[in-house]
Amino acid sequence: DIVMTQSPDSLAVSLGERATINCKSSQSVLYSSNNKNYLAWYQQKPGQPPKLLIYWASTRESGVPDRFSGSGSGTDFTLTISSLQAEDVAVYYCQQFYTGPVTFGGGTKVEI
Amino acid sequence: QVQLVESGGGVVQPGRSLRLSCAASGFTFSRYGMHWVRQAPGKGLEWVAVISYDGRNENYADSVKGRFTISRDYSKNTLYLQMNSLRVEDTAVYYCARDGPGDSSGWYSGFFDYWGQGTLVTVSS
Repeated sequence: DIVMTQSPDSLAVSLGERATINCKSSQSVLYSSNNKNYLAWYQQKPGQPPKLLIYWASTRESGVPDRFSGSGSGTDFTLTISSLQAEDVAVYYCQQFYTGPVTFGGGTKVEI
Repeated sequence: QVQLVESGGGVVQPGRSLRLSCAASGFTFSRYGMHWVRQAPGKGLEWVAVISYDGRNENYADSVKGRFTISRDYSKNTLYLQMNSLRVEDTAVYYCARDGPGDSSGWYSGFFDYWGQGTLVTVSS
């Protein structure tokens, strides 16, 4: 199975500041035939289900604010919140869907 | 709007069975693969099972293979998870989730664009 490792486990960011979350996969999730990275990011607020933010590593889901962006390729990926808002307090998960079983990172808790 | 509503959770003894349901609405159920994903209390996310849009293909996590069965009823727009031989470590919130828009490279994409609110399964003696 592909192991997904997120860092840090938690971070505290001031309102309006940038938050950066890292995700590393134990093998490449880049499919060479279509040059797509099979990597998604989710946001989970307390007591709620996860919400899809980003897929194909950098494609923002419809309705997701543009302060959320995804980058990276191969085995190293980043989720960036450019200007943290109070409603962004949540746990963020990366997930690979390159090969089964799909696997998630352990999560990063973002606080103010 | 897309809605996924799970039901059927509860407290069950180890070794017993439980069936979860997920009622889908707001989209054409027969066009999408569907998944179950679980989250143990205070823990991360674990994918459990997937069924193809046409019900012909299924896949399971090793941790549940041979004990859990995913199925779907198109007449009721409902997804199911039959859970047998339950173990303490199966305790979790179980979410149903819709398969995201893939690139046709496989029979499912493997990411999740809509999630239900979840139903809690507690396995305890």
